[in-house]
Amino acid sequence: DAGVIQSPRHEVTEMGQEVTLRCKPISGHNSLFWYRQTMMRGLELLIYFNNNVPIDDSGMPEDRFSAKMPNASFSTLKIQPSEPRDSAVYFCASSSKPRGGNQPQHFGDGTRLSIL
Amino acid sequence: QKEVEQNSGPLSVPEGAIASLNCTYSDRGSQSFFWYRQYSGKSPELIMSIYSNGDKEDGRFTAQLNKASQYVSLLIRDSQPSDSATYLCAVNNSPGNQFYFGTGTSLTVIP
Repeated sequence: DAGVIQSPRHEVTEMGQEVTLRCKPISGHNSLFWYRQTMMRGLELLIYFNNNVPIDDSGMPEDRFSAKMPNASFSTLKIQPSEPRDSAVYFCASSSKPRGGNQPQHFGDGTRLSIL
Repeated sequence: QKEVEQNSGPLSVPEGAIASLNCTYSDRGSQSFFWYRQYSGKSPELIMSIYSNGDKEDGRFTAQLNKASQYVSLLIRDSQPSDSATYLCAVNNSPGNQFYFGTGTSLTVIP
């Protein structure tokens, strides 16, 4: 079974450039989560969607960050303009939300972002 | 107060020993509890889920949940060097399907 698919795996770009990270959740999962992980701050939730609708974006650090989920099989996280402090590993995760229970999240391999 | 708290470690145990990892959470309404293992440079990988009070065993791993004390733990028996990783505790609050992760405990198993 295909897991959560993220692209690109690595991204190196210069400060000020626009960065777009992509995620395809596991088929049938209707919750999608974007995380950022750094050594200093650990795993931080940026935003999550239920049924393609953003539920909580309180973790989005600034207006430079935006996320969309136009359909059940695709989401993007965009940073514009990018800054060196945005350098981190960005993970996408998905989970199902069946009636009467909660299911774990499954993570993609992450995008390692470096802003020079 | 953080939603989920873990000792960051590092925790070192000799090969063959029992490693004990602990986690506390603040929301009494939490319903689902998970342990993830994360190797350096890799993504978090689910290793255990637990939903009701008591123990749940899976191979060398045992998850323990005590909702009255708001405490969940992970025991790793017969620890192996390959168990060396960071272990993340996660708690799920229904109905919004919000997940909260701890900061992780770094475990080193010494051969």
